[in-house]
Amino acid sequence: GAVVSQHPSRVICKSGTSVKIECRSLDFQATTMFWYRQFPKQSLMLMATSNEGSKATYEQGVEKDKFLINHASLTLSTLTVTSAHPEDSSFYICSARSSDLNEKLFFGSGTQLSVL
Amino acid sequence: EDQVTQSPEALRLQEGESSSLNCSYTVSGLRGLFWYRQDPGKGPEFLFTLYSAGEEKEKERLKATLTKKESFLHITAPKPEDSATYLCALFSGGYNKLIFGAGTRLAVHP
Repeated sequence: GAVVSQHPSRVICKSGTSVKIECRSLDFQATTMFWYRQFPKQSLMLMATSNEGSKATYEQGVEKDKFLINHASLTLSTLTVTSAHPEDSSFYICSARSSDLNEKLFFGSGTQLSVL
Repeated sequence: EDQVTQSPEALRLQEGESSSLNCSYTVSGLRGLFWYRQDPGKGPEFLFTLYSAGEEKEKERLKATLTKKESFLHITAPKPEDSATYLCALFSGGYNKLIFGAGTRLAVHP
């Protein structure tokens, strides 16, 4: 099956620093990538949708300047949490979609962000 | 508004005790209902896609069914390794985004 690689799997940082999370589709071209956030024992909440070469579309309530998304190629999208604070601590998951794969979404393994 | 509701929130089973998980949905134009399995600290793992009422799919001890209003994930003779959170999802706004239910946390005890 299709593979989506997400790195890092875990990051601990100090308040005020920025953290970059990478999401790569390894064996297919991802025309669209999605970024989700998940709090403990809760479901996945969509943060933003990004299409290769264009600006990301953010969900209501998600700060664009806080969560910077770049989808520069068909295999790579990055999420940068800028000036992170403890309330940004969460599990972040990316997913990728290719129209060649029956519109299925394949998910990365997630990144646990802890901001001290 | 497109919506996905899962029940129960949590389910505890004895090994071998079959049961079903429910996913109720409302959507303007179903373009696939998805079931995923998620283990703690991991991303969701794809299980099934169902497209039309009456469709059924099976994989080992799991069988997913679909009606016009809900989907069921039947677990037959579960084993402890089936313990996970099971998520139901569908495309909202056309193919624009995949929205998830809150999930059912399944625990299977020996």
